[in-house]
Amino acid sequence: NAGVTQTPKFRVLKTGQSMTLLCAQDMNHEYMYWYRQDPGMGLRLIHYSVGEGTTAKGEVPDGYNVSRLKKQNFLLGLESAAPSQTSVYFCASSYTNRVQETQYFGPGTRLLVL
Amino acid sequence: DQQVKQNSPSLSVQEGRISILNCDYTNSMFDYFLWYKKYPAEGPTFLISISSIKDKNEDGRFTVFLNKSAKHLSLHIVPSQPGDSAVYFCAASTGANNLFFGTGTRLTVIP
Repeated sequence: NAGVTQTPKFRVLKTGQSMTLLCAQDMNHEYMYWYRQDPGMGLRLIHYSVGEGTTAKGEVPDGYNVSRLKKQNFLLGLESAAPSQTSVYFCASSYTNRVQETQYFGPGTRLLVL
Repeated sequence: DQQVKQNSPSLSVQEGRISILNCDYTNSMFDYFLWYKKYPAEGPTFLISISSIKDKNEDGRFTVFLNKSAKHLSLHIVPSQPGDSAVYFCAASTGANNLFFGTGTRLTVIP
């Protein structure tokens, strides 16, 4: 039982390049989330998914797209990376969307956009 | 605008003593509060939570206190252990799918 895994762990991009971050969970969770963490700020929700095939915007969705084609995977895409997207990205999942339900986080992906 | 604030970026405590981590919030609609713990190169892990209908919740060495009138919560760890050294995030929610996190406090427990 690996929990929540993220690929890659670290990536350097040039401005304008695109990439996809992959999140996978093996806990059969319905809900999945993408957060970013920046210095001096808490984790902020980018997008989330309430089930296979459904996604919704979070607090800071601009510049990102997501897809949930399979229940266990949640992809975060950057179509044209900008230096402002330099951040640590965390994926999380939970069985329900009740706030009392613990969200399980992956180890993070560190992204540097030059 | 940061709705959840942790004004102390770091805290050092001697092993065996009490650690007190503080968190303030501005949104009176928050009705559930959580603390997460994060080790380097790992994701945050859930530690303890409290509903707004309570003012205290205890789990072993960890106790969270909520003061709604002051919009303040705190996490007490007693006794502190070296393994507690980590970054602690408080988070607050008004309901499903929205957690607002603080900036984190790095706790160092000195052996």
